Amino acid sequence: DAKTTQPPSMDCAEGRAANLPCNHSTISGNEYVYWYRQIHSQGPQYIIHGLKNNETNEMASLIITEDRKSSTLILPHATLRDTAVYYCIVGQTYSGAGSYQLTFGKGTKLSVIP
Amino acid sequence: NAGVTQTPKFRILKIGQSMTLQCAQDMNHNYMYWYRQDPGMGLKLIYYSVGAGITDKGEVPNGYNVSRSTTEDFPLRLELAAPSQTSVYFCASSRNAGVFYGYTFGSGTRLTVV
Repeated sequence: DAKTTQPPSMDCAEGRAANLPCNHSTISGNEYVYWYRQIHSQGPQYIIHGLKNNETNEMASLIITEDRKSSTLILPHATLRDTAVYYCIVGQTYSGAGSYQLTFGKGTKLSVIP
Repeated sequence: NAGVTQTPKFRILKIGQSMTLQCAQDMNHNYMYWYRQDPGMGLKLIYYSVGAGITDKGEVPNGYNVSRSTTEDFPLRLELAAPSQTSVYFCASSRNAGVFYGYTFGSGTRLTVV
C-alpha cells in the first residue's frame, strides 16, 4: 500500500511560488515527512524533512497540517531549474538497525513555465 | 569532494551477458544502497550494505549480486542479463541507517539489455 499520495503533475509560472501537496493519512506518530526531487535523469536530491512543526531551509519550506495527515512543499520563487519530479516520503528515523529502504512512489512532475 | 561516483554512465548488454556496475563514495559513509528505476516509476531497493563485509537483500534482489570489501566501494553484478533488467541504476550512501534525509545519490547508470 502506498504511504503517500501526490498529484502526478503540476505547472507553475517562473518566479511564482510552487505548492506541492502530499497526503499521508496513515502516518504514525514517529514517522517523518521527507521530500526529495529528481531533476531529469539525475539521482534524487534531498530537499527538506519534518516531524510536526513547519520547517524552512535555503531550498524550500515544509508545512505539515496539525493532524499530520497531509503536508505541502513550498518553493517560494520557482525557477526553470526547479523543473523536476518531487517525491514525498514518510518513514521513521532509527538510531540503529531498522528500515533501510527509502520508498519512492511516482512523485509529482513539476514543470516551471517561463 | 566527489560524493558518489557511478561508472559506466551508459551500457548496452546482450541477453545472457554479465557486467558489473561500479559505485564508489569518498564520504566515509557506512551505509550504501543500490536502487533501480524503471521508466515513469519510483526507485526500488535492490541490495544494501551496512558496512564492509555485510550486505543484505532489498525489495528486488533477483538477478543481482553485490559485495562490499571496502567502505568506499559497492559494486553491483548482473550475471545473466535479461530484458527485464533494462533500467536506470542508482547507487546511494548515507552515514547512518534510517536517517532518510542523509542519502547522497550517484548520477546513475542507464542499462539497456537487448
